[in-house]
Amino acid sequence: GAVVSQHPSWVICKSGTSVKIECRSLDFQATTMFWYRQFPKQSLMLMATSNEGSKATYEQGVEKDKFLINHASLTLSTLTVTSAHPEDSSFYICSARQGARGGQYFGPGTRLTVT
Amino acid sequence: QKEVEQNSGPLSVPEGAIASLNCTYSDRGSQSFFWYRQYSGKSPELIMSIYSNGDKEDGRFTAQLNKASQYVSLLIRDSQPSDSATYLCAVYTATGGGNKLTFGTGTQLKVEL
Repeated sequence: GAVVSQHPSWVICKSGTSVKIECRSLDFQATTMFWYRQFPKQSLMLMATSNEGSKATYEQGVEKDKFLINHASLTLSTLTVTSAHPEDSSFYICSARQGARGGQYFGPGTRLTVT
Repeated sequence: QKEVEQNSGPLSVPEGAIASLNCTYSDRGSQSFFWYRQYSGKSPELIMSIYSNGDKEDGRFTAQLNKASQYVSLLIRDSQPSDSATYLCAVYTATGGGNKLTFGTGTQLKVEL
């Protein structure tokens, strides 16, 4: 299957700082990438859809000024959590879709802890 | 009504048995269906995709799709303790902005020795 990487795998930051998470599709080009958040024992929550070369589409209730998404190339999308607070602590997972009907392949996730 | 519904479980089966996981969806126009496996603390892993009515087999896994009943299932034969995980059903549903992959809440499977 297709490979998607994420970096970093975990990060601890202080409240008020910003954190950038990178998502890369390693062996295919992804015009569309997705960012999810998952709290413990809860299901995946789609935050936004990232399209290469255009603005991301955010789901209802997700603050676009707080969660900045950039999809600068066909293999890289970044999520920046700005002015992080403890309630932003979560497991952030990106995925990339291979083809128009293909399944989404997930990165290994980034565990963010804001102290 | 939720767009993709799964029984949360846990579903417990003995080692070597067949585990049957079920999923129903509400969008009759959906064309693409997927099963993901998620171990605790890890991200989901795509294990099966199915697009046409009927069965699709891959090793110990068989996906079954019935579009008329809006039902998709996953059978795991010869279940192993390593199959213990949460299984997520996912369906592409049409939205105003295009197709979106909608996930069920997952069924927790426990394979017991």
